[in-house]
Amino acid sequence: KQEVTQIPAALSVPEGENLVLNCSFTDSAIYNLQWFRQDPGKGLTSLLLIQSSQREQTSGRLNASLDKSSGRSTLYIAASQPGDSATYLCAVLTGANNLFFGTGTRLTVIP
Amino acid sequence: SQTIHQWPATLVQPVGSPLSLECTVEGTSNPNLYWYRQAAGRGLQLLFYSVGIGQISSEVPQNLSASRPQDRQFILSSKKLLLSDSGFYLCAWNFGRSSGNTIYFGEGSWLTVV
Repeated sequence: KQEVTQIPAALSVPEGENLVLNCSFTDSAIYNLQWFRQDPGKGLTSLLLIQSSQREQTSGRLNASLDKSSGRSTLYIAASQPGDSATYLCAVLTGANNLFFGTGTRLTVIP
Repeated sequence: SQTIHQWPATLVQPVGSPLSLECTVEGTSNPNLYWYRQAAGRGLQLLFYSVGIGQISSEVPQNLSASRPQDRQFILSSKKLLLSDSGFYLCAWNFGRSSGNTIYFGEGSWLTVV
């Protein structure tokens, strides 16, 4: 069964720093990988989606990479802002159309 | 544009009582629909997904059930709630793989079983 792990579980950085969030998955037979943002008590907002044939996707200050063979993805956030504070989740889509989520990284950007 | 709604947003129910959470999607047709649960300090767990009316797949054995009476309506139910059913329930939708698969979530429903 697919297992998704995110490290670190929590991260605090001063405003302006660049940071990297990590996601690993055990079964490389994925269809795509998505990064989400979740604010406290709210639903999830999709940030980036990388198809299995792609190696990275960029949106504004966010860049996500995918190394399917090694079962890893990273989310790079440039010039972090206090508004980036949230929990970030990665999820992989398997051929059975199931999304498997990691437990998330709780990010705090300190002004 | 497509929107997803789920309700109620917050619910406090006694053990043994029934449950009904409802989710509807607007602005699209024939979506895949999902119910997830997010327990405190844990990741999201897929409970049910549906690729069409009346088609429900269950991912985990539990006292919950799901139904899809209409194309854009997905209902999560229980006849008798357990304390362990407490959590944050999220409805989601997406299209099939040929359409990119980005998944969109509702705002969630907080269920506390007391």
